[in-house]
Amino acid sequence: KNQVEQSPQSLIILEGKNCTLQCNYTVSPFSNLRWYKQDTGRGPVSLTIMTFSENTKSNGRYTATLDADTKQSSLHITASQLSDSASYICVVKSGNTPLVFGKGTRLSVIA
Amino acid sequence: EAGVAQSPRYKIIEKRQSVAFWCNPISGHATLYWYQQILGQGPKLLIQFQNNGVVDDSQLPKDRFSAERLKGVDSTLKIQPAKLEDSAVYLCASSFAGGQGNTGELFFGEGSRLTVL
Repeated sequence: KNQVEQSPQSLIILEGKNCTLQCNYTVSPFSNLRWYKQDTGRGPVSLTIMTFSENTKSNGRYTATLDADTKQSSLHITASQLSDSASYICVVKSGNTPLVFGKGTRLSVIA
Repeated sequence: EAGVAQSPRYKIIEKRQSVAFWCNPISGHATLYWYQQILGQGPKLLIQFQNNGVVDDSQLPKDRFSAERLKGVDSTLKIQPAKLEDSAVYLCASSFAGGQGNTGELFFGEGSRLTVL
């Protein structure tokens, strides 16, 4: 069964600190993986997309990694800001089947 | 560029009542999706339209949920009669082409939060 597991479920960090969110998937065949950011009360917004041949991709203070062999991805946030408080959802695409969503990691950045 | 528009943002109804949600996708986006997001969960696909045709509605509870996209642009999602477990955020998303079938990014609206009492 195609599944996406994210950890931790929730995380609280101090402003300015770094953090790493994890995504493990069992989706096969693999097409691509996206990280979405969902602010409270808003719809998800794409942060980055990872394809099979990409190991690392950065978008400002966000850096995503992909290990296709172990079927793991991570999202690293550097120098966190209060505005980073949100849910981060890992989404994996497999061929032409419906996208597989993780449950998300709820990040709270506090002053 | 205008984003995906949804209304209403919030709706509170009693069980067994009916409710309808409206979505206007980004101009030019052929594919439209309705997702249900229960608190603490990831979005779950209810239905996918390509223009005005249904591509996937396998997870739509058809005994109570219905959706249409008559002119291939706006879409309406209806629930009748509502149950307590339908309390969730209903997200509409669109993509230029079949996002489920290519690398296309999904653009989400802000969602319609439904509370069933």
